[in-house]
Parts: sequence; C-alpha cells; structure tokens
Amino acid sequence: RKEVEQDPGPFNVPEGATVAFNCTYSNSASQSFFWYRQDCRKEPKLLMSVYSSGNEDGRFTAQLNRASQYISLLIRDSKLSDSATYLCVVRLNTNAGKSTFGDGTTLTVKP
Amino acid sequence: DAGVTQSPTHLIKTRGQQVTLRCSPKSGHDTVSWYQQALGQGPQFIFQYYEEEERQRGNFPDRFSGHQFPNYSSELNVNALLLGDSALYLCASSLAAGPRGGYTFGSGTRLTVV
Repeated sequence: RKEVEQDPGPFNVPEGATVAFNCTYSNSASQSFFWYRQDCRKEPKLLMSVYSSGNEDGRFTAQLNRASQYISLLIRDSKLSDSATYLCVVRLNTNAGKSTFGDGTTLTVKP
Repeated sequence: DAGVTQSPTHLIKTRGQQVTLRCSPKSGHDTVSWYQQALGQGPQFIFQYYEEEERQRGNFPDRFSGHQFPNYSSELNVNALLLGDSALYLCASSLAAGPRGGYTFGSGTRLTVV
C-alpha cells in the first residue's frame, strides 16, 4: 500500500463547476499536510497547507480528518487556469524530514 | 528574491556514466531535499541535507549520493547510470526552523539515460 493515495482521475469538468479531490495517508503519526499544484512539465508549487480545523484560500478549501487519515481539496467556480495535476503531500514531522507525495489527481477544466 | 536554481535543465547521459546535478536554495533557506519524478508519478524522496549532513534518506541505492556546501547549495550525484534513472530530478528548499511550511521547488533537471 502506498503511503499517500490519490484518485488519479482525470477529472474533466466545465468552467464554473465545483470539484473535490480526496487523499488518504497511511501513517497516523503524520503532522503536516499540504496540497501542491503541478502544471505539465513544470515543478510542483505549494497551493496550500492543510490545518486540522480546515482552511480556505479564495476558491480553494482544504479539510483534514485525522481519525480517517483523509485529506480533501475543494475547488469552487473552476477556471480554465485551474487545469493541472494536484498533489497531496504528507510529512511526519512539523518542520523536518521527508515529505511524501501522492501520484496526483489530474484536473482538466473545459470551456 | 531568487528562488531555487537548478542546473543543468536538461542532460543526456549514456548508461554506466556518472552525473552531477546542482541546486542553489531559495535565499534564506537552509535545507535542501532532492526528489526523483518519473512520468505520471509523484515526486519520490531521495534524501535531505541540513547543516551539510544527510538528515534523512529515501529508498534509493547507494549509487545516489549528495553533498551540501556551507552556502547551503547542494549536489546530487548518480553513479553507474541505468535506463531507469531517466526522470525529472527536483530540488526543494525549506527552512528548518521556520513555521510549519512547504517546499519551494526548482524547475528541475530532466535526465535522459540512453
């Protein structure tokens, strides 16, 4: 079993749609959680950290369920520019050590 | 404010050769992590350097080695290249003592082994 698992998709949605991605992680001792965005043939870029209470950044909302070891990302009012691969990332420690990446979920937003 | 700089951007090597990839972290960052990303997969952790020492290592063979210099820059060396080493190699920098934060990635080195 992979340490971080994501539904690979692809998710194909129309502009303006709401889409949700899910991610599960295997190590219950994990302390830090993130979502990254990766455009085709580019480097990953930090989208947002995920906090226990849930957090929102504009059209993006992240949720963490420690009991179920589950992380989610909700994108509202999808834009064409949201088309990318979204990577779920988990780290055992708060600041140090490796971050483990999922294989990503691909989103295509169509006009 | 300079971001993470990696060199070279592309590289073609022959099986059995050795390669050195370089990374300069973002200004103010002191920790460098290296990742290998194959097509269609997420980045896989190779190792992390802090204070010029390897702090943690992933499941990569000893053919993969690294170094961190006093100015926090880092090198990744791969010996005896295999066809399967063809991938995008990403350098990520972070601040060890900073708040709970993520990485800043360089644009990567795309290595092709033929």
